[in-house]
Amino acid sequence: EAGVAQSPRYKIIEKRQSVAFWCNPISGHATLYWYQQILGQGPKLLIQFQNNGVVDDSQLPKDRFSAERLKGVDSTLKIQPAKLEDSAVYLCASSSRDRGHLNTEAFFGQGTRLTVV
Amino acid sequence: ELKVEQNPLFLSMQEGKNYTIYCNYSTTSDRLYWYRQDPGKSLESLFVLLSNGAVKQEGRLMASLDTKARLSTLHITAAVHDLSATYFCAVDSSGTYKYIFGTGTRLKVLA
Repeated sequence: EAGVAQSPRYKIIEKRQSVAFWCNPISGHATLYWYQQILGQGPKLLIQFQNNGVVDDSQLPKDRFSAERLKGVDSTLKIQPAKLEDSAVYLCASSSRDRGHLNTEAFFGQGTRLTVV
Repeated sequence: ELKVEQNPLFLSMQEGKNYTIYCNYSTTSDRLYWYRQDPGKSLESLFVLLSNGAVKQEGRLMASLDTKARLSTLHITAAVHDLSATYFCAVDSSGTYKYIFGTGTRLKVLA
């Protein structure tokens, strides 16, 4: 079974520039998450999708961050304009949100390491 | 708002020793997950604990869940160098499938 795919793996941009990250979840997983992990900290949930609808985006800085999941499969996360404090690893995860399914945990991709200079 | 705390934040231990990592959370939940993260890598799922009293074991690691105390433990038995990593617990916030992560415990096992 293929895992969660993310690209790019690394990105360096200047502040005030824009950047986009792409995620392809595990096939059949209806729930998709974007997390931000700052060095030395635990992952922080930015947004949660169920199919192509947003379940929770309370922690997403909407003045600069946006995310979409068209057709309920792939997702993109965009930052515009970027700030220095956005330097972090952006992790995409997916889960099978089915109470009859034993494996309810989230499976993570390799992440995109963003450096804003 | 659900808060998840782990302790200790850092743990340096000798090979062969036993130790326990603690994960406390602030609101009711009956689903808790443990993940491992190696430096520069993503998160690997270790254990899924889905009910009060659940206990899971894999090799030298054993995880348990006490939903009444809002506490999970990750016990390490006879540590080996390969267990060096950062360990995170994550709690499902009120069955919403929104995984809230703890602060992480950075474990270093010394040969």
